[in-house]
Amino acid sequence: DTAVSQTPKYLVTQMGNDKSIKCEQNLGHDTMYWYKQDSKKFLKIMFSYNNKELIINETVPNRFSPKSPDKAHLNLHINSLELGDSAVYFCASSQDIAGVGEQYFGPGTRLTVT
Amino acid sequence: GESVGLHLPTLSVQEGDNSIINCAYSNSASDYFIWYKQESGKGPQFIIDIRSNMDKRQGQRVTVLLNKTVKHLSLQIAATQPGDSAVYFCAEGLRNQGGKLIFGQGTELSVKP
Repeated sequence: DTAVSQTPKYLVTQMGNDKSIKCEQNLGHDTMYWYKQDSKKFLKIMFSYNNKELIINETVPNRFSPKSPDKAHLNLHINSLELGDSAVYFCASSQDIAGVGEQYFGPGTRLTVT
Repeated sequence: GESVGLHLPTLSVQEGDNSIINCAYSNSASDYFIWYKQESGKGPQFIIDIRSNMDKRQGQRVTVLLNKTVKHLSLQIAATQPGDSAVYFCAEGLRNQGGKLIFGQGTELSVKP
């Protein structure tokens, strides 16, 4: 069974559209994250949630809105997509809210905005 | 600003040799560090971590060294294999920061058979 899963794996859309990426973890973890990886492989945290509560919001444009319906899911909705949003988005989860320890990453969603 | 950098963006080694990947971190207050491996088309995968109260930790074929004096971290891979070919990231974190990890740029390791 996949520990952290994301859908879709690939997403191609036009500027101005609204899209969502879904993430689910079956590890029983309390904390989930969204990361953005740019074309140079630089990986940067966007958000973290603990038990459906927002913990980290790293100066991400408010076009990005995470939603956690329960602690096993953390979805990412993006409004008015821009060319610069093209990247690979990774969801991750961890057991420890203090952040010490392994974060388990999903396979990523490659978003291409044209 | 915050940054975690790497001395070498690419590293090419012969199969069977040992590999050393280096990383400089910026926040002297960081109290834990993690190395991740990312294969093409996949998400980062945990390799090994180390707390700031340690200077060395060993895993299976991997060793992480931490030098807090110069804010330097290294990952040593023994008897490098073709399956080790990937991009390697170091990341630093601080307890009770909601799990925030700051990642370095990454080093691409290429293993020649």
